[in-house]
Amino acid sequence: DIQMTQSPSTLSASVGDRVTITCRASQSIGSWLAWYQQKPGKAPKLLIYKASTLESGVPSRFSGSGSGTEFTLTIRSLQPDDFATYYCQQYNSYLFTFGPGTKVDIK
Amino acid sequence: EVQLLESGGGLVQPGESLRLSCAASGFTFNNYAMSWVRQAPGKGLEWVSDISGSSSSTYYADSVKGRFTISRDNSKNTLSLQMSSLRAEDTAVYYCAKAETTAVRKHAFDIWGQGTMVTVSS
Repeated sequence: DIQMTQSPSTLSASVGDRVTITCRASQSIGSWLAWYQQKPGKAPKLLIYKASTLESGVPSRFSGSGSGTEFTLTIRSLQPDDFATYYCQQYNSYLFTFGPGTKVDIK
Repeated sequence: EVQLLESGGGLVQPGESLRLSCAASGFTFNNYAMSWVRQAPGKGLEWVSDISGSSSSTYYADSVKGRFTISRDNSKNTLSLQMSSLRAEDTAVYYCAKAETTAVRKHAFDIWGQGTMVTVSS
């Protein structure tokens, strides 16, 4: 199985900050990586798929990069609505696996 | 509007069975693979199972293989998860999720339901 790790596990930031979250896969997954945002009590929301493709309707301050085993999610200028938990997910092969999540909270 | 609506969750005792359903609307259901993803209280996301649009292929996490069965009825736009031999560690919110592409096998999830809670406890 492909294991996914994320760093940091928690990130404290202020509105306007540039935020970067890293996701690593235990083996190469090409560009088959997605990023999701989840708020408490809500379903996850797809932000980025295929490592760098922005989902329709997602603000352009979100961007993704990487391939192989290392990926990043960047939020260019953090907004109040962005405080949430972010998960990466590999879908290169079954079993699909999610990272453990990165919680972005208010500094 | 594209929508997924889960139902069927509840409180069951260890060893019992439960069937979850997910009603889909707003898209051509049989064109897309569908998955179940769960989230234990206070924990992260865990993919559970996936089924292709035609039902020809099904996949399961090791943690549920042999106990859970995924199925779909394309005539009714409905996805199901039959869960048996339930354990305390199956306690979670269960989400159904739609593939973001019609491509087979490699897909993220662009639409999620609101989730249904399953509690396994004596």
